Amino acid sequence: AQSVTQLDSQVPVFEEAPVELRCNYSSSVSVYLFWYVQYPNQGLQLLLKYLSGSTLVESINGFEAEFNKSQTSFHLRKPSVHISDTAEYFCAVSGDDYKLSFGAGTTVTVRA
Amino acid sequence: DGGITQSPKYLFRKEGQNVTLSCEQNLNHDAMYWYRQDPGQGLRLIYYSQIVNDFQKGDIAEGYSVSREKKESFPLTVTSAQKNPTAFYLCASGQGDTEAFFGQGTRLTVV
Repeated sequence: AQSVTQLDSQVPVFEEAPVELRCNYSSSVSVYLFWYVQYPNQGLQLLLKYLSGSTLVESINGFEAEFNKSQTSFHLRKPSVHISDTAEYFCAVSGDDYKLSFGAGTTVTVRA
Repeated sequence: DGGITQSPKYLFRKEGQNVTLSCEQNLNHDAMYWYRQDPGQGLRLIYYSQIVNDFQKGDIAEGYSVSREKKESFPLTVTSAQKNPTAFYLCASGQGDTEAFFGQGTRLTVV
């Protein structure tokens, strides 16, 4: 069985400051890891993913995440946030069994 | 346009009634998923299907039922046995070893 723990439920941050959202997972099989973003009353959009290869993955809007197998983590970072980054962020894990499990989410609020 | 379509966007149900939420995808994905979202609890998996005519219970399947008669369709029925059905429901599809794509959700309210 697999599970995801997002360690922070709310993260307030000032505009242009860095942010890190923490995610730990447990899984007994090979994993695929994802970060999704959700804006109010909408579905989820993929931010970035780790399937294999380089452990550092990046998105087109400045986010990055690093897969750390020994620490079973997949933390999300952005060096400088914008007001438009205010949203809820979800970490997710899946494996060869196709089961896709999500964490409880982290609400990021960016203030001017 | 390829994607996931959920309908309706808003749904009201009287207590004791069954209601069915629609989810259709034209991405040719094998896997489909239903999640329930409540404030502060993230997305909880209700059911998922890896292939046509097969599906598995997720973490909170009680009070729900699904079918997968066609690859592109995965309807979810919220039965009267679900004691607290008011929530935001999200459907997704994927290939298992890549990301899942989500619909825009259905907000169900029991009145």
